[in-house]
Amino acid sequence: EIVLTQSPGTLSLSPGERATLSCRASQSVFSTYLAWYQQKPGQAPRLLIYGASSRATGIPERFSGSGSGTDFTLTISRLEPEDFAVYYCQQYGSSPLTFGGGTKVEIK
Amino acid sequence: QVQLVQSGAEVKKPGASVKVSCKSSGYTFTSYNIYWVRQAPGQGLEWMGIINPSGGNRTYAQRFQGRVTMTRGTSTGTVYMELSSLRSEDTAVYYCATGPSDSNGSLPFWGQGTLVTVS
Repeated sequence: EIVLTQSPGTLSLSPGERATLSCRASQSVFSTYLAWYQQKPGQAPRLLIYGASSRATGIPERFSGSGSGTDFTLTISRLEPEDFAVYYCQQYGSSPLTFGGGTKVEIK
Repeated sequence: QVQLVQSGAEVKKPGASVKVSCKSSGYTFTSYNIYWVRQAPGQGLEWMGIINPSGGNRTYAQRFQGRVTMTRGTSTGTVYMELSSLRSEDTAVYYCATGPSDSNGSLPFWGQGTLVTVS
């Protein structure tokens, strides 16, 4: 099973700042099958990025993903008020599918 | 548009079973796999398994083997997830999710979630 470790656990930033979230895999993720999700309280997760760097439909350009192998990054170029949420990475290249523990982006 | 609508909240006693439904619309039911993911209160996401509505093939996460059963009703476009021998640790929101075949397991569409409380 591939274990995904996200860091930091919490990121305290102000609107307009840049957010950089990390996801490290215990072994190489097959074919960059790595996704990022945003989740707000009381809501289902929302797919942001798939294939490590492709934005899902309707996702603003300020969200970008990068990485390969075992190290992946989600960047939010300029935080908007609606971006404060919890973010999860997920690998879907091998079974079982696994998720990281999440990074909470909170308002400083 | 693709929609997944889940059944309502449940309260169960330890040792009982729960069956959660997930009704799909907006696409050909047999074309997309359905995934089940759960989230305990204040915790992260945990994959439970996947069912192919076309042939009925399913794969379960090892930790749920023997306790979970995923089925489908092709005439109703509905998938079911039944979890047995419930314990307090199974208290969670249960989500169904899906995506087209080329999403390969990334999940663009989610149900609203079903809260299962074991108490």
